[in-house]
Amino acid sequence: QKEVEQNSGPLSVPEGAIASLNCTYSDRGSQSFFWYRQYSGKSPELIMSIYSNGDKEDGRFTAQLNKASQYVSLLIRDSQPSDSATYLCAVNYGQNFVFGPGTRLSVLP
Amino acid sequence: GAVVSQHPSRVICKSGTSVKIECRSLDFQATTMFWYRQFPKQSLMLMATSNEGSKATYEQGVEKDKFLINHASLTLSTLTVTSAHPEDSSFYICSASGRGGYQETQYFGPGTRLLVL
Repeated sequence: QKEVEQNSGPLSVPEGAIASLNCTYSDRGSQSFFWYRQYSGKSPELIMSIYSNGDKEDGRFTAQLNKASQYVSLLIRDSQPSDSATYLCAVNYGQNFVFGPGTRLSVLP
Repeated sequence: GAVVSQHPSRVICKSGTSVKIECRSLDFQATTMFWYRQFPKQSLMLMATSNEGSKATYEQGVEKDKFLINHASLTLSTLTVTSAHPEDSSFYICSASGRGGYQETQYFGPGTRLLVL
């Protein structure tokens, strides 16, 4: 069974702080990793993808991938109240695309 | 790019009726479409995966005769909830992946909120 795990939260951070979201996955053969953001009552939207070890930055978001340890993380710098949402980690296993349960982030003004 | 639409966005129906939800990829060819259901404050639950031109693959516990999925073209998939009951009330979301650089990930539609009275 291919699994993706996340801490469900809620993770609360003050405005302007760095929010760190973590995700672990079960299959070393995974090649593609994604972060989605889902606001309450809305569908998920893709915010980052990462395919190789290391960091990938896009604006205030940085995705980090460590295939040896089988984890992927998302850092949000200068967190804003508008970042409050559920963040879903997803792993493409080739034949299967598996989502984690999501971590609820709350950025406090 | 990678825009997926769903119609309708919201539907209210009486118990026992059937409801059809459409999912369209607007700017890419969706070789695979996925249907999810999400209850309030819960995770996404994958219902079924469909590849263009073939029968959908349903997840365990999802009744294929109740949730009919058709993926007849590379831009359109439909989900029909047959004989809907109040317990079918939920947020139904489709996603698509496809050709031309869109095969690696899933792009979600805006969702359809179904309320069965």
